[in-house]
Amino acid sequence: GQQVMQIPQYQHVQEGEDFTTYCNSSTTLSNIQWYKQRPGGHPVFLIQLVKSGEVKKQKRLTFQFGEAKKNSSLHITATQTTDVGTYFCAGIQGAQKLVFGQGTRLTINP
Amino acid sequence: DGGITQSPKYLFRKEGQNVTLSCEQNLNHDAMYWYRQDPGQGLRLIYYSQIVNDFQKGDIAEGYSVSREKKESFPLTVTSAQKNPTAFYLCASSILYSPQGFTSTDTQYFGPGTRLTVL
Repeated sequence: GQQVMQIPQYQHVQEGEDFTTYCNSSTTLSNIQWYKQRPGGHPVFLIQLVKSGEVKKQKRLTFQFGEAKKNSSLHITATQTTDVGTYFCAGIQGAQKLVFGQGTRLTINP
Repeated sequence: DGGITQSPKYLFRKEGQNVTLSCEQNLNHDAMYWYRQDPGQGLRLIYYSQIVNDFQKGDIAEGYSVSREKKESFPLTVTSAQKNPTAFYLCASSILYSPQGFTSTDTQYFGPGTRLTVL
């Protein structure tokens, strides 16, 4: 079945440093979504990427979808303590359900 | 105030008992989902439903059951057959749409979750 792998599993940075998490699928995805889960909270939708090679920005967050639509990345520039949480990617392969990656837990040293 | 609600927030169960987790949405979404999250882990799909009176097994359906008698409601029963039920359970809902002839799911909206502990 479809698998979505996400790395790294954990990332600890100093406040102000950049952060990147990567997502790879075993199959071509029709689209990919990114979610953020704060500690003790529930996942909240950040963005959806649909087109091959698409790049979208939300303030300090940059999301990319690979040319082959099998990988994606989330990059945060100059992290802040409010960025703490677990970031999940979730892919769809033309079916009606998302397949979530394992998530990358980001912790920040102020 | 639109949204998706889950109750209770915390639930304790004795081993061997069935327990039902509630999930309600007033977003008029077609699809609803149940996920399980273990500490430090991702989300694993238990069951999902795209339409009333119909549902499909996800990746880890064994030991769980669901019903979808109303569009707004998708309760999950954790049965005594579930060997390791202690976990954080998340319900989600989404719109389904068909942009290119196949049905796809839009953004998933998650409820606040129910933390189940088996004593």
